Amino acid sequence: SQTIHQWPATLVQPVGSPLSLECTVEGTSNPNLYWYRQAAGRGLQLLFYSVGIGQISSEVPQNLSASRPQDRQFILSSKKLLLSDSGFYLCARQMGGNQPQHFGDGTRLSIL
Amino acid sequence: SQQGEEDPQALSIQEGENATMNCSYKTSINNLQWYRQNSGRGLVHLILIRSNEREKHSGRLRVTLDTSKKSSSLLITASRAADTASYFCATDDNNNDMRFGAGTRLTVKP
Repeated sequence: SQTIHQWPATLVQPVGSPLSLECTVEGTSNPNLYWYRQAAGRGLQLLFYSVGIGQISSEVPQNLSASRPQDRQFILSSKKLLLSDSGFYLCARQMGGNQPQHFGDGTRLSIL
Repeated sequence: SQQGEEDPQALSIQEGENATMNCSYKTSINNLQWYRQNSGRGLVHLILIRSNEREKHSGRLRVTLDTSKKSSSLLITASRAADTASYFCATDDNNNDMRFGAGTRLTVKP
């Protein structure tokens, strides 16, 4: 079966601290990978997507960055977190066009 | 940025009633998808309808798509308390990204 792992499930960080969220995918090769952020009670905002190793497309200019060092690994990072970075971060994979996206269980990030 | 917009934002019904949620979008699409999200969890894919399809069924779910009006609807028949969740539409224009709406929060009262 195909599985998406995200960790940690919850994270509390002070303003100005760095961030690293990891997403790994099992059971599939060369997936498209996505990072979304969801504010409370809102829809999903696409942050980054990747169609292959080392290929990152950014949707929103911000203090976040993403990397894909391996085919099944997608990392979301920040050097200095802002209060506005709080939210629910979701990783998803998709096997090309006309296919559904499959999501991990997310990381709830709170910035203090 | 978001493309799909769901309507209504919130819906509360009694168990056994039908629930209808609508989605409008602005640009041409390859397909439209509906997802469900339980509180604090990831999204779960429900159904995908391609741009050349008009209606699709899956169990108690019925989805319609009207590309001339750029709109879609999700009907859940004979609702159950376990259907309580947020429902999102997402448009796929085959550019390797999908655009999600803000969602409809459905509450089904037992």
